[in-house]
Amino acid sequence: DGGITQSPKYLFRKEGQNVTLSCEQNLNHDAMYWYRQDPGQGLRLIYYSQIVNDFQKGDIAEGYSVSREKKESFPLTVTSAQKNPTAFYLCASKRGGTDTQYFGPGTRLTVL
Amino acid sequence: AQSVTQLGSHVSVSEGALVLLRCNYSSSVPPYLFWYVQYPNQGLQLLLKYTTGATLVKGINGFEAEFKKSETSFHLTKPSAHMSDAAEYFCAVSVNDYKLSFGAGTTVTVRA
Repeated sequence: DGGITQSPKYLFRKEGQNVTLSCEQNLNHDAMYWYRQDPGQGLRLIYYSQIVNDFQKGDIAEGYSVSREKKESFPLTVTSAQKNPTAFYLCASKRGGTDTQYFGPGTRLTVL
Repeated sequence: AQSVTQLGSHVSVSEGALVLLRCNYSSSVPPYLFWYVQYPNQGLQLLLKYTTGATLVKGINGFEAEFKKSETSFHLTKPSAHMSDAAEYFCAVSVNDYKLSFGAGTTVTVRA
């Protein structure tokens, strides 16, 4: 089946620890995205990548880092510099030249 | 800058009643507009989109939306609500070829 997978579904971390969220797609999409979702705030863009080995900051990139070494993978690292990391994180992808983003199932990160 | 405003963070309807979710947009260029649905602890699923052409757009699950340029609106409707329609709904506008701007979301509750 083609789609976007995110793992793990639930993640707990202690304050001061870095953590990496996985996002993989087998849709052969060119662009990939990371969003953060908080109650009542909709989705806010963290980072996006249009092609391999290139990515751009979104609206709330501070405290996060990404890499795009392979077309199908776009991992997000939440660093200890992120002040309030507890949130639901969504990955999305899009074929180049089209207008629709498709979303993964999300990872819920809780900082203890 | 392109943005959307969703009027009403919560909507409660009776089963069988009309569902109406309001979305107004701001865009300096002809907009591409989207409605997504999110069930609890899941990713977003595309309901429908407007790009060009017919202003009344039909989507999945019996939903439709009408693009009204004069009112800068893209309201989502469904004639008869079903219990399975209980979810959160997001309106979004394309910022450019690669980015979307999302509204804050509207949670729909369906009463038996």
